[in-house]
Amino acid sequence: KNQVEQSPQSLIILEGKNCTLQCNYTVSPFSNLRWYKQDTGRGPVSLTIMTFSENTKSNGRYTATLDADTKQSSLHITASQLSDSASYICVVSAQNYGQNFVFGPGTRLSVLP
Amino acid sequence: GAVVSQHPSRVICKSGTSVKIECRSLDFQATTMFWYRQFPKKSLMLMATSNEGSKATYEQGVEKDKFLINHASLTLSTLTVTSAHPEDSSFYICSAREGNRPPYEQYFGPGTRLTVT
Repeated sequence: KNQVEQSPQSLIILEGKNCTLQCNYTVSPFSNLRWYKQDTGRGPVSLTIMTFSENTKSNGRYTATLDADTKQSSLHITASQLSDSASYICVVSAQNYGQNFVFGPGTRLSVLP
Repeated sequence: GAVVSQHPSRVICKSGTSVKIECRSLDFQATTMFWYRQFPKKSLMLMATSNEGSKATYEQGVEKDKFLINHASLTLSTLTVTSAHPEDSSFYICSAREGNRPPYEQYFGPGTRLTVT
């Protein structure tokens, strides 16, 4: 069964600190993995997309890693800002699933002043 | 980046009435659009996949007669919640896929908050 798990479920950090969010998946055959940021009451916004051959990708203060062998990904946020408070969703696509998304449950990040 | 809009952003309706939600891709043509439902503190749940000019494909457990989807053009898909009930109250999000080869870029709309009283 195609599944995506994320940890932690929620995280609280102080402004300026770094943090790392984890994603494990069992989606097969793997096509690509995405990280989205979703503010409360808004739609998800894409942060990164990685295919099988990519093991790291950055978007500003966001850096995603992918280990296709262990089926794990991480999203590292550096120098956190209050506006980083949001849910971060890991999404994996399978080649034989019409490229449809398998969503993780998300990690709720709260950045405090 | 590409933009997907939804209208309305919020709607309150009475039980038994129908509500239409529009999803538009503003600067690209989307051959495939998706409709999701999201409950509080939960992740998105795919309701249906909509391809331009053809019938939508509904996920298991989603009533196609209750959630009518029309994808009349490459930039517009609509979701109509018919005979709405309070349990239909939720956050509905559409997304539009751009491109012909994976990894497709997929953009999400801002969502529509539906409250049925």
